[in-house]
Amino acid sequence: GAVVSQHPSRVICKSGTSVKIECRSLDFQATTMFWYRQFPKQSLMLMATSNEGSKATYEQGVEKDKFLINHASLTLSTLTVTSAHPEDSSFYICSKGGGGNTEAFFGQGTRLTVV
Amino acid sequence: AQSVTQLDSQVPVFEEAPVELRCNYSSSVSVYLFWYVQYPNQGLQLLLKYLSGSTLVESINGFEAEFNKSQTSFHLRKPSVHISDTAEYFCAVSEYNFNKFYFGSGTKLNVKP
Repeated sequence: GAVVSQHPSRVICKSGTSVKIECRSLDFQATTMFWYRQFPKQSLMLMATSNEGSKATYEQGVEKDKFLINHASLTLSTLTVTSAHPEDSSFYICSKGGGGNTEAFFGQGTRLTVV
Repeated sequence: AQSVTQLDSQVPVFEEAPVELRCNYSSSVSVYLFWYVQYPNQGLQLLLKYLSGSTLVESINGFEAEFNKSQTSFHLRKPSVHISDTAEYFCAVSEYNFNKFYFGSGTKLNVKP
């Protein structure tokens, strides 16, 4: 079945730096992928929809200039957290959505800690 | 808008005991219901789903969930848990296209010997 690979699984960065998270589809092509984040003891929340070859669509309240999404190919979507601050520390996870009766697949997630 | 509530953040249980993980949802439209499981350092894996038909759905490893429309619930149950069931479980809803998911906050199931 389809597999989504996310890298890195954990990252610690200094406040003010940028961090890039990669989400790769290993055996399928995905024109659309989704990025979620989970703050401690809260739900996984959809951040944005990543569209291959066009701009990402962001959910309300998500800063598009802070969370840069690039979907340059059908197998790679990246999320860059720019000028990270401690409040950006969270668990970020990507997914390939389904359609019809197709299952959705999720990456293993990235634990970001900003110090 | 959709929302999902998992009231129990952690559920400790002894091996071979039954367990129920609660999930309630609210939605203004018809949705599909899911349970995902996340083992340490792994991605979310689909455990079971309700799309239509029988309101009782089962997974291959002994879990079951029942869709109750009147109570807007989709509780997950297992009659006898194993140590290997220790993981975090997420309830989720999705609209018809299985693209955007709305998750609960997760329940950590800790099975003790």
